[in-house]
Formats: sequence, structure tokens, C-alpha cells
Amino acid sequence: AQSVSQHNHHVILSEAASLELGCNYSYGGTVNLFWYVQYPGQHLQLLLKYFSGDPLVKGIKGFEAEFIKSKFSFNLRKPSVQWSDTAEYFCAVNSPNTGNQFYFGTGTSLTVIP
Amino acid sequence: KAGVTQTPRYLIKTRGQQVTLSCSPISGHRSVSWYQQTPGQGLQFLFEYFSETQRNKGNFPGRFSGRQFSNSRSEMNVSTLELGDSALYLCASSLGEGGGIQYFGAGTRLSVL
Repeated sequence: AQSVSQHNHHVILSEAASLELGCNYSYGGTVNLFWYVQYPGQHLQLLLKYFSGDPLVKGIKGFEAEFIKSKFSFNLRKPSVQWSDTAEYFCAVNSPNTGNQFYFGTGTSLTVIP
Repeated sequence: KAGVTQTPRYLIKTRGQQVTLSCSPISGHRSVSWYQQTPGQGLQFLFEYFSETQRNKGNFPGRFSGRQFSNSRSEMNVSTLELGDSALYLCASSLGEGGGIQYFGAGTRLSVL
């Protein structure tokens, strides 16, 4: 079975600091990769996705992620965080050959201090 | 287009009871997946339905079951509730092809007393 690891459980940053959240997965086949965000009191929303092609993908609100196949990683980055980025971030993996069974990491809680 | 709708938003039950949660997917979406979200475990996959058939199943006991109707609406049932079933239950819909984007509902918060 696939699994997803998010090594940072809680991250606290000041506004304008750079952000990098780690995500590693275990699966040797073709994968689709996602980052979802859950703002306080809101439902999960897609931040960005990787299906194929350029391993550097850009999402909403200035977020980007890089897929490194050799490291089974899909780390999320943002050069300068804002207070409004305070949320919980989830990395997810899916094998397109197995329907829509997604494997999620346990999430990273990001707090941005103004 | 309306998003994924889950009802009810909140439920309080006692141990041993059963509960049914409902999910209406985005119009045109044929796949519905269910997840259990808890603070320590994150999101854990329960099952996925596609065209009224269970296509995938996670590692949950048989007390957790579901079904999908011809209009793609889905229900999830938990029988003989246990305290540990307290969680946020999320429904996600997608067009149907494997590995597509999943769109999540706001969830049903179940508390078991």
C-alpha cells in the first residue's frame, strides 16, 4: 500500500519568511501528486497538482511544488508567506490506475505570525 | 456549479447506535470517495464509489459501509458506533477517471458519546 509522510507537523513562521513543507511518498509506479489546504473553518481545497510534465508546478496564491522522482518527494514552497496562509496543509498521492483512492499525509499545521 | 454537499453538518450519537451520512457530488461527477479525518491520523480513506459500485475500499471494519445511487449521490453508514468513531467525515467527488482532482465537501462532524 502507498503511504505519505509529512515530516513537519507544526510550523510557525513570521510574515515574509520562506516556507518549505516536506512530503515523501512510498510507491514505485506512476503517481499523481497533490497539495490540499484547509483554512480554519473551511473545507479542503486544492492548492496544486502534478500529473506529468514539468516537475515544478505552480498553484494558487504563489505556492509551488517540485516533484523529485528519485527522492519520492513533492515538497511545497512559498517564497514569502502571509498571515492569511495560516492553515493546515495536506500532501496526497494517488495512483491513476487504482481509481480515486487517495493517500494523505497527516498534515502540517502552519501558523504565520504577523 | 454547486459544490459537494454533505448533510448533516453535525451529529451527536451514543455508543451502539448507527448513523447515516449523505453526500451530493458536484453535478456530472460520477465518483464519490469518503474519508475519516481525525487530529492524530489525518485523512484516512474509507471507500470510493463509481457508477453505483464500490471501486476501492480502505482498511476499516465492516461496520463502515456505503452505497451510491443512480444520480451519483452517496450515503455512508456506520453501525454499532464506538467512541473512536468520533471524527470529521469528508466526502469528495471527482469526474470519475482515476487520479483526477477530488473536490471536498465541508464534512459531517460526528460525535459519539
